[in-house]
Amino acid sequence: KQEVTQIPAALSVPEGENLVLNCSFTDSAIYNLQWFRQDPGKGLTSLLLIQSSQREQTSGRLNASLDKSSGRSTLYIAASQPGDSATYLCAVRPTSNYQLIWGAGTKLIIKP
Amino acid sequence: KAGVTQTPRYLIKTRGQQVTLSCSPISGHRSVSWYQQTPGQGLQFLFEYFSETQRNKGNFPGRFSGRQFSNSRSEMNVSTLELGDSALYLCASSLSRGQSGELFFGEGSRLTVL
Repeated sequence: KQEVTQIPAALSVPEGENLVLNCSFTDSAIYNLQWFRQDPGKGLTSLLLIQSSQREQTSGRLNASLDKSSGRSTLYIAASQPGDSATYLCAVRPTSNYQLIWGAGTKLIIKP
Repeated sequence: KAGVTQTPRYLIKTRGQQVTLSCSPISGHRSVSWYQQTPGQGLQFLFEYFSETQRNKGNFPGRFSGRQFSNSRSEMNVSTLELGDSALYLCASSLSRGQSGELFFGEGSRLTVL
């Protein structure tokens, strides 16, 4: 059974720092992995989608990597800003089932 | 290009009532999926629709149902509401049902059951 874990559950860093959020999954048989951010009381915003054949994806200050063999993905945020404060979730789409499997999220706070 | 639109955004119901939530996907998107989000359980998959057919269903009781119309708009219904149904209900759309599909979410409908 696929399980997705995000550590840490919460992270607080000063503005301007580079940071890494982690996502691990137990079964490497996935189609893709997607990173989202969620602001309080809001829906989810798609950040990056990495297909199983890809190693990384970049969008602006965000870079996501995928290592299927080790069951890990990281989301790198460069030069963090207070506006980056949100909960970041990762989700994998296993090949055995079309349903996304979600991590519990990392709540990120960027201090001005 | 308009995003995923969910209505209503907020609603309050009492136990035993029923509720219908609506989702309009991004224009051209044919796949719609629904999720329930609660502080204790996180995000849980409810169901997925494609071409007006339910393609996948999560582990929820039969009180939770949905449908999709020919224009890809979708509705979900919860009957005989319970306190535990209080949650943020999120709808997501994707271009197709392919495994590579990127999901785009709406702002959600926040349901409070009293």
